Amino acid sequence: ELKVEQNPLFLSMQEGKNYTIYCNYSTTSDRLYWYRQDPGKSLESLFVLLSNGAVKQEGRLMASLDTKARLSTLHITAAVHDLSATYFCAVAPYSGGGADGLTFGKGTHLIIQP
Amino acid sequence: GAGVSQTPSNKVTEKGKYVELRCDPISGHTALYWYRQSLGQGPEFLIYFQGTGAADDSGLPNDRFFAVRPEGSVSTLKIQRTERGDSAVYLCASSLFRVSETQYFGPGTRLLVL
Repeated sequence: ELKVEQNPLFLSMQEGKNYTIYCNYSTTSDRLYWYRQDPGKSLESLFVLLSNGAVKQEGRLMASLDTKARLSTLHITAAVHDLSATYFCAVAPYSGGGADGLTFGKGTHLIIQP
Repeated sequence: GAGVSQTPSNKVTEKGKYVELRCDPISGHTALYWYRQSLGQGPEFLIYFQGTGAADDSGLPNDRFFAVRPEGSVSTLKIQRTERGDSAVYLCASSLFRVSETQYFGPGTRLLVL
């Protein structure tokens, strides 16, 4: 059974600081996704990571994937208040191709204080 | 273009009643997913359709839950004899049928069983 663990589950940080959210998963996978969810809203896709060593960046967010360690990180650089949200990582089981249902972590609730 | 839409946005029902939740995927997306999200948790996979057929229904919690997608586009999630524990936000997502594709989520239906 595929399990996905995120840490921390709750993070309060100040604007301008850097921090990293970690996502570990339990079985072989070839696809990892990061989503953002604002309160009362649905999920917004941030990154899709498909290979070992993949790194993607968008603005102040950067995501990376180490499939050997079964670990992905979401790094926040010089945080701003607008990044306050809940961030989920989600993993698809290794399938060799095609689409699959995702297993999500519990989410990291991020609050960025002015 | 239009995103994934779900109706109704909110549904209140009484224990034991039957409910139907509808999902309209992004046009041209052949893969459609249903997830359930409880308060403070990550989405939990329920069922995945490729075209008209259910490719993976391993996440459906029991036989009270059923979903259809008769024409390969709109899908309906059906819950019989609802229980209070079924209260959650039911999310629908769609994607193109390729391993690299992002799943795009709808706004969800918030179901409350009294």
